Amino acid sequence: NAGVTQTPKFQVLKTGQSMTLQCAQDMNHEYMSWYRQDPGMGLRLIHYSVGAGITDQGEVPNGYNVSRSTTEDFPLRLLSAAPSQTSVYFCASRPTGTGTGYTFGSGTRLTVV
Amino acid sequence: AQTVTQSQPEMSVQEAETVTLSCTYDTSENNYYLFWYKQPPSRQMILVIRQEAYKQQNATENRFSVNFQKAAKSFSLKISDSQLGDTAMYFCAFMKHESEGRRALTFGSGTRLQVQP
Repeated sequence: NAGVTQTPKFQVLKTGQSMTLQCAQDMNHEYMSWYRQDPGMGLRLIHYSVGAGITDQGEVPNGYNVSRSTTEDFPLRLLSAAPSQTSVYFCASRPTGTGTGYTFGSGTRLTVV
Repeated sequence: AQTVTQSQPEMSVQEAETVTLSCTYDTSENNYYLFWYKQPPSRQMILVIRQEAYKQQNATENRFSVNFQKAAKSFSLKISDSQLGDTAMYFCAFMKHESEGRRALTFGSGTRLQVQP
């Protein structure tokens, strides 16, 4: 049981480039979320999904797109990378109806130069 | 919107002693969940303990316990018999109940805990 798998673990982008951060879970969880972690600011919600085909914006959605075509996958797309998007990105998932906490992936450290 | 505040950016404790990390939150909801997550230097986010707001009994998990004061909107974490492996960032987080809408986490800014040998 792999849990939540994020790829890549590290990435360096040039300003203006686009890329997709991958997230996959094998626990059949309905809820999935993307967060970014910046020093002194905790984790902030970018986008989240309550099931396949359903997504919604979080606190800091600008510059990011998501889609949820399957229960397992929830990719995060950076449309045109900016230095302000330098951060650590976490994907997380949880099942419905139980109030359990989210299970997190190991994160992606992204640097935009 | 909910907010979570952790007013202690850094704390230090001697091995085997007890330490309490503070967390306050602001919400108009009546049903919700509160969590403490641990983030060691490995960067992995690890769930330490959870509390359901409609349960008055404070949650405990081995050496970790909480003091949940719903009226005061306070949710502190007590670590007993501190161990070197407890050295980490600790995040307090809030989540609405299933019936209340968005079911993602709102995090505080974190407390960096250093356990000294």
